[in-house]
Amino acid sequence: DIQLTQSPSFLSASVGDRVTITCRASQGISIYLAWYQQKPGKAPKRLIFVASTLQSGVPSRFSGSGSGTDFTLTISSLQPEDFATYYCQQLNSFPLTFGGGTKVEIK
Amino acid sequence: QVQLVESGGGVVQPGRSLRLSCAAPGFTFSRYGMHWVRQAPGKGLEWVAVISYDGSNKYYADSVKGRFTISRDNSKDTLFLQMNSLRAEDTAVYYCARDPSNIVVVPALYGMDVWGQGTTVTVSS
Repeated sequence: DIQLTQSPSFLSASVGDRVTITCRASQGISIYLAWYQQKPGKAPKRLIFVASTLQSGVPSRFSGSGSGTDFTLTISSLQPEDFATYYCQQLNSFPLTFGGGTKVEIK
Repeated sequence: QVQLVESGGGVVQPGRSLRLSCAAPGFTFSRYGMHWVRQAPGKGLEWVAVISYDGSNKYYADSVKGRFTISRDNSKDTLFLQMNSLRAEDTAVYYCARDPSNIVVVPALYGMDVWGQGTTVTVSS
């Protein structure tokens, strides 16, 4: 199975900060990676797929990059509604797997 | 409006069975692959299973293989998850989610673009 390691697992940031979350795969997965945002008590919401394609309706302050084993999710200017937990997911092979999550909290 | 509505969760004893349903009003259900994803209390997301648009292909996580069965009824726009031999570690919120692809192949491009609100399963004596 492909393991995804997200870092950090927790980060504290202020509104307006630039935030970067990393996802590392245990083996190469090309660009077959998605990112999701989840707020407490809510279902996940897809932000990005194939590593860098923004879901329609998602603000352009979100961006994704990477290929192979190393990927990043960047929020260029953190907004109050962005405080949430973020997950990466590999779509390269079954079983599909998620990273452990990164919780973004207000500093 | 595109939406997914899960039902069927509840409290069940270890070793017993439960069947979850996911209704899919608002879009052409029969054109899409469908997933189940779960989340144990305070934990991260775990993919459970996927089924192709016509039910011909199914894949499972190792943790549920042989105990859970994913199925669908396209005439009723409904997805199911039959869960047998339930264990305490199956306690979670279960989400159904849509895959924009109709077939089930990897590598996959899209992930899960629409999610239900979740239904809670508690396995406890």
